[in-house]
Amino acid sequence: KQEVTQIPAALSVPEGENLVLNCSFTDSAIYNLQWFRQDPGKGLTSLLLIQSSQREQTSGRLNASLDKSSGRSTLYIAASQPGDSATYLCAVGETSGSRLTFGEGTQLTVNP
Amino acid sequence: EAQVTQNPRYLITVTGKKLTVTCSQNMNHEYMSWYRQDPGLGLRQIYYSMNVEVTDKGDVPEGYKVSRKEKRNFPLILESPSPNQTSLYFCASSSLAGRGTDTQYFGPGTRLTVL
Repeated sequence: KQEVTQIPAALSVPEGENLVLNCSFTDSAIYNLQWFRQDPGKGLTSLLLIQSSQREQTSGRLNASLDKSSGRSTLYIAASQPGDSATYLCAVGETSGSRLTFGEGTQLTVNP
Repeated sequence: EAQVTQNPRYLITVTGKKLTVTCSQNMNHEYMSWYRQDPGLGLRQIYYSMNVEVTDKGDVPEGYKVSRKEKRNFPLILESPSPNQTSLYFCASSSLAGRGTDTQYFGPGTRLTVL
């Protein structure tokens, strides 16, 4: 059974800092991997989707990488802003393409 | 506006009283899914549907039912709710890319309390 782990569980940084969030998974036979953002009391918003054949995806200040062989993905946030404060979750899509397994998330606080 | 809607957003009920949480999407997505989110356990998949009349169990299906009679709707039914089903519930949808799911779009969530 796929297990997804996100470390650290919480992270606090000063505004402007570049940071990396980590996601690891136990079964490297995946279909895709997604990074989401969740604000308190709100639903999830998809940030980036990486297909299993891809190594990375970029959107604005965000860059997500995928290393299937080592079972790892990272989300890089450049020049962090207070508005980036949220919980970030990664989700791994299994090879059947029909089911997702989520990590518990990293709660990010960016201090002004 | 492309969106996934859920109703109700908040619900307090009592043990054993049947309830339905509705989910609707306006993006013509084939795939729809229900999750529950609990502290310390993260998001867990309850049921999913790859298309109309096609549903399958996720990781925690016990105590829940679903149906997919129309493409846009995917209601979650709790026939006899119990306190351990108190949770935050999310519906999600996506198109299918190849044999699997694409970017997931989530609803705003339904906070359910079962007394």
